[in-house]
Amino acid sequence: EADIYQTPRYLVIGTGKKITLECSQTMGHDKMYWYQQDPGMELHLIHYSYGVNSTEKGDLSSESTVSRIRTEHFPLTLESARPSHTSQYLCASSGSWSENRGYGYTFGSGTRLTVV
Amino acid sequence: GNSVTQMEGPVTLSEEAFLTINCTYTATGYPSLFWYVQYPGEGLQLLLKATKADDKGSNKGFEATYRKETTSFHLEKGSVQVSDSAVYFCALSLMETSGSRLTFGEGTQLTVNP
Repeated sequence: EADIYQTPRYLVIGTGKKITLECSQTMGHDKMYWYQQDPGMELHLIHYSYGVNSTEKGDLSSESTVSRIRTEHFPLTLESARPSHTSQYLCASSGSWSENRGYGYTFGSGTRLTVV
Repeated sequence: GNSVTQMEGPVTLSEEAFLTINCTYTATGYPSLFWYVQYPGEGLQLLLKATKADDKGSNKGFEATYRKETTSFHLEKGSVQVSDSAVYFCALSLMETSGSRLTFGEGTQLTVNP
């Protein structure tokens, strides 16, 4: 079944470490997104990509970086993790508009990151 | 710019109660409107959508009507169940200015007690 996968689900890491959060989708969607979700639930778009070799910063400034070398893969990297990066990170993808499914936005289950 | 405002939560109801979660929006054009649901430990799932004024989206007993005159898209359900406990997000997208990008409201936590 087509889906979107995020790994790891949970990550506890020390300050200063470099981390990469993985996101892959099997739907052939051209657009992919990273959201940061506060403990209070609010979602903030931090990065998006409309295709291979295309990445843009989102509405919320983030020290993370992303890359889009393959359509299906959109990893997020933090070069030096800090406690302020503790949050849940949700990856999503979308395709062309259809009457049934809109843009077909599909979300991964998220990575809950804790930096100690 | 575009924005979405949801009623403040959390909302706690008894099983079989009537649910309303208010959502209003600000947009520079004619957006498409969505409700997403997030169950504990999961990502977001599309619950329903509406793409033009007076459209009614419906799914799993939930309904919302696109009201252009009041710029609203309130979510309703006549009889909630314990399994409806989740966080609900109202969202919009505006093709002309943001393509398929979604702008989300703050989210409303719903707890349904047996």
